[in-house]
Amino acid sequence: GAGVSQTPSNKVTEKGKYVELRCDPISGHTALYWYRQSLGQGPEFLIYFQGTGAADDSGLPNDRFFAVRPEGSVSTLKIQRTERGDSAVYLCASTYGGGRTGELFFGEGSRLTVL
Amino acid sequence: AQSVTQLDSHVSVSEGTPVLLRCNYSSSYSPSLFWYVQHPNKGLQLLLKYTSAATLVKGINGFEAEFKKSETSFHLTKPSAHMSDAAEYFCVVSLSGNTPLVFGKGTRLSVIA
Repeated sequence: GAGVSQTPSNKVTEKGKYVELRCDPISGHTALYWYRQSLGQGPEFLIYFQGTGAADDSGLPNDRFFAVRPEGSVSTLKIQRTERGDSAVYLCASTYGGGRTGELFFGEGSRLTVL
Repeated sequence: AQSVTQLDSHVSVSEGTPVLLRCNYSSSYSPSLFWYVQHPNKGLQLLLKYTSAATLVKGINGFEAEFKKSETSFHLTKPSAHMSDAAEYFCVVSLSGNTPLVFGKGTRLSVIA
């Protein structure tokens, strides 16, 4: 079966532009996570969806970042007025329930470069 | 607050020799602990997990880890390294089903022929 799919795999944009990153989770997974991985660092939590609602968005760095999951499946991470510091690999993961005992299935990530 | 510290940013071993990747955690409560592996240009993959059952946990590809509460450690080991084990390894902690996984900074494992 298909794994977690993320598009685009690579995105280069200019400072100040708007960017959307898409995540298509494994079918039937109710929980969806976004993480950000900067060079030489471990993934950092951004936001967690349970179904359609954001159960925890405490990791979003500021109000330029927003994510939606309108039908409880595909999610889009939106970044407004991009800054060079936003350059990173954005990872999406999905699972059946909460992340504590369940295995998270990760996509290969979307590499964002802000020039 | 919960956190993990991976004590080595880079470990290099010869093929066929043992692997030890060290991880210490900080948590006020009984955590769940995981090791994930990230091969170049691949998604993160779960190696093994500890969720308050047996303290010695066996994972895929011959890896295992031992939960030691007295030492707040969850070190990853493998008796004999293979070239295909070269990757980035992340120690991860979680308090509950509603709190996100917290990743360490990672340890890059190199395997020398």
